[in-house]
Amino acid sequence: GENVEQHPSTLSVQEGDSAVIKCTYSDSASNYFPWYKQELGKRPQLIIDIRSNVGEKKDQRIAVTLNKTAKHFSLHITETQPEDSAVYFCAASEEGGSEKLVFGKGTKLTVNP
Amino acid sequence: NAGVTQTPKFRVLKTGQSMTLLCAQDMNHEYMYWYRQDPGMGLRLIHYSVGEGTTAKGEVPDGYNVSRLKKQNFLLGLESAAPSQTSVYFCATVLGGNRNEQFFGPGTRLTVL
Repeated sequence: GENVEQHPSTLSVQEGDSAVIKCTYSDSASNYFPWYKQELGKRPQLIIDIRSNVGEKKDQRIAVTLNKTAKHFSLHITETQPEDSAVYFCAASEEGGSEKLVFGKGTKLTVNP
Repeated sequence: NAGVTQTPKFRVLKTGQSMTLLCAQDMNHEYMYWYRQDPGMGLRLIHYSVGEGTTAKGEVPDGYNVSRLKKQNFLLGLESAAPSQTSVYFCATVLGGNRNEQFFGPGTRLTVL
């Protein structure tokens, strides 16, 4: 089955700096890669996703890049703000028609004012 | 629309007690999932359903049972709770038909003493 590794587990940046979180996956058949943000005590919420036929996707200050050959994808947050502080999870789809996702273990991002 | 709801929000059990967690959705989504979230472990899939009347095992199914008698409800049962089942439980749903986004419920915090 699919296996997703996520790095780093913690990341601390100064407000205004960029943050990058990286994930690798094992199953070359995976074709959907979402990123979720989870604030303390809240539910995970989708912030951006990418499909395997696209190399990069942007939404304002966040972007995701996908390298299918190397089987890794990354989340980029520019001009970070304190409200970006949260735990971020990457995920990769599993084949089989179940729409299942396999999640990474998460990255705790802290943006210092 | 309420989206995805979970009951109860919090529960404390003694070892050996049983309980059922309810996930309800009003979005007419086909797929439903139960995850557990433990510190540093990300989201791990317990059981899932690809439609009314179907269930399947996920990554960590032992000690849990599920049922999906109605499309809008997905029940997670603990027959004999153990301290290792202390966790936050999230339900998620997916529309299907190439719409992959998982929508999460607010979570249930369960403590087993």
